[in-house]
Amino acid sequence: GNSVTQMEGPVTLSEEAFLTINCTYTATGYPSLFWYVQYPGEGLQLLLKATKADDKGSNKGFEATYRKETTSFHLEKGSVQVSDSAVYFCALWSNYQLIWGAGTKLIIKP
Amino acid sequence: KAGVTQTPRYLIKTRGQQVTLSCSPISGHRSVSWYQQTPGQGLQFLFEYFSETQRNKGNFPGRFSGRQFSNSRSEMNVSTLELGDSALYLCASRNFSGVGDQYFGPGTRLLVL
Repeated sequence: GNSVTQMEGPVTLSEEAFLTINCTYTATGYPSLFWYVQYPGEGLQLLLKATKADDKGSNKGFEATYRKETTSFHLEKGSVQVSDSAVYFCALWSNYQLIWGAGTKLIIKP
Repeated sequence: KAGVTQTPRYLIKTRGQQVTLSCSPISGHRSVSWYQQTPGQGLQFLFEYFSETQRNKGNFPGRFSGRQFSNSRSEMNVSTLELGDSALYLCASRNFSGVGDQYFGPGTRLLVL
């Protein structure tokens, strides 16, 4: 069946560091891929998406490229801020539902 | 546009009781989905409704049910509550033309004692 695997957290970085959160997926075909973010005490927000292979999704300085060869959709940001501290979820769309990774907690220290 | 709203935001129930949660989607969105979020199991899909029809259901027991009304508002019901039903229940709405672009409400936090 379809599944999403994310790197375990928490990931702790200093402000202005480079961020990578790994995400790989298993799926039939080429599903749309998503990153969602959940700030403390809030609901989930769509961060970015990619709907086909080699697409790059980007938003708020975050980027992720849909790589079908490696079945990956890693999240990157060149310079993180304290305000980026949150839990990040990778997900794929299949059969009217989002299938989620376990989430990666990101902690940014000033 | 107003976002997805969920009521109530917090709920405390005891084992054996039943509960009904409500979700109002973004205006114009006809698809509503429900997810359960727990520390142990993460995010799990419950069900999805479009135009009052359930199109998909996750792997949850029959105690979990839902429905959607003609104005796209949705409710989910959990009967005979168990301790393990304590969770954050998230509702998401989607414009049918947007593949997977689900917009989430703040959730209802249910505590079962």
